[in-house]
This record gives sequence, structure tokens and C-alpha cells, in this order.
Amino acid sequence: DAGVIQSPRHEVTEMGQEVTLRCKPISGHNSLFWYRQTMMRGLELLIYFNNNVPIDDSGMPEDRFSAKMPNASFSTLKIQPSEPRDSAVYFCASSPGTGFYGYTFGSGTRLTVV
Amino acid sequence: SQQGEEDPQALSIQEGENATMNCSYKTSINNLQWYRQNSGRGLVHLILIRSNEREKHSGRLRVTLDTSKKSSSLLITASRAADTASYFCATDAGETSGSRLTFGEGTQLTVNP
Repeated sequence: DAGVIQSPRHEVTEMGQEVTLRCKPISGHNSLFWYRQTMMRGLELLIYFNNNVPIDDSGMPEDRFSAKMPNASFSTLKIQPSEPRDSAVYFCASSPGTGFYGYTFGSGTRLTVV
Repeated sequence: SQQGEEDPQALSIQEGENATMNCSYKTSINNLQWYRQNSGRGLVHLILIRSNEREKHSGRLRVTLDTSKKSSSLLITASRAADTASYFCATDAGETSGSRLTFGEGTQLTVNP
């Protein structure tokens, strides 16, 4: 397996533009997580899905952020409109299920909003 | 909010020495995990210890867990320059609707050749 695949690796966009981050989890993994990492706030859980269903989106900063998982092999995180304070590294991770499993992280998307 | 707090924030040692990192957390947990992150990369899972376990080994890694003190430690023995990375502890409260990991702020380990 190629692991968790995220795209793009880097994204530079202007304030106000829509940004879409993509993630392909490991085949057979039932849980998918979106995290954001910044120097100031560390790693924050934004949202996670079990069996394609959003379970907890309380970490999503505001209505500008939305996430979908239309099927077991694909998820998107969208920011519309983007703001400079959204600049961060966004990670997607998957795990076989809930409970006693480690997560497999993707390489992340480094987002810069100017 | 951060559940775990790592100590120290930064650690610099010589190759061959042992490195010990500590993690404290606030709430009851189902399990605790340690991850490594190399600069510019994603996190890599190292080891998981369940709440009913006290110690676990994996290669040069040794993890302890003290649930009464709500603390864990990660020991890397005979360190190598390639161990240079940030190390994070993460706790899983094991909620009934689905578990999720809450990460600490990490310890930056530098192993000098």
C-alpha cells in the first residue's frame, strides 16, 4: 500500500480564494482524521470520520471550513474563503478503526494564504 | 486543546547516549501512543501502550505508563543521529462514539554525531 496520500503537497493562494485539500486513506481503514499543525497551536484535530460518516467536527475553526468523505477512499477539506491565519500544515490520517490502533499519517499539505 | 504535555521541550544529546522524554496528561485514557515527526514530514506511529499496561518495548524504544500519575515516558536507548526528530505523545480517551487522538506539543530531540 502506498500509505495515506495527500494532495497537493504545497498550496499558495490569495486571501479570499477557495482551497481544497485532498486525501486518500489506506484501503480498508475505516477511520479518517484531519489535523492542522502550526507552531502556535501544535496539532489540532479538525474533524474525523468513521465509515465515511462525520463523527466530530467540533475542531473545525469556523463555517469557512468544511469536510466531506463521499466514499471510503476519498476525503476533502475545503476552506472558503481562505484567510492568512489559515496558513498551516494540514494532515490527513487513517486507522483501521477506533480503539487500539495507531494512525497512519499522510505527508501533509503546506498551505500558505497571502 | 492539548491533552498531553511533553517534557522537556528540547533535548540535545550525543550519539550513543539514551534519551528520555516525558508526557503528562489530564483525563482518563484508553491508550497512549508515541509518534515521531521528522522535519517537513508526517507523523510516524512508534508504539501504543494500553491503560492496563505499565511497560512496553519495541526495539530500542521503551515506554512506561503510570495511570495514577497520568504520565508516560519514552526512552530511546543507544541513540543515533537518525533519531533526530520531534516526538509526540498522544492520548486516546476511548469515547464510545469513536476514539480520537489528542496530541501534546512535542519534544525536539537532537542527536549529535
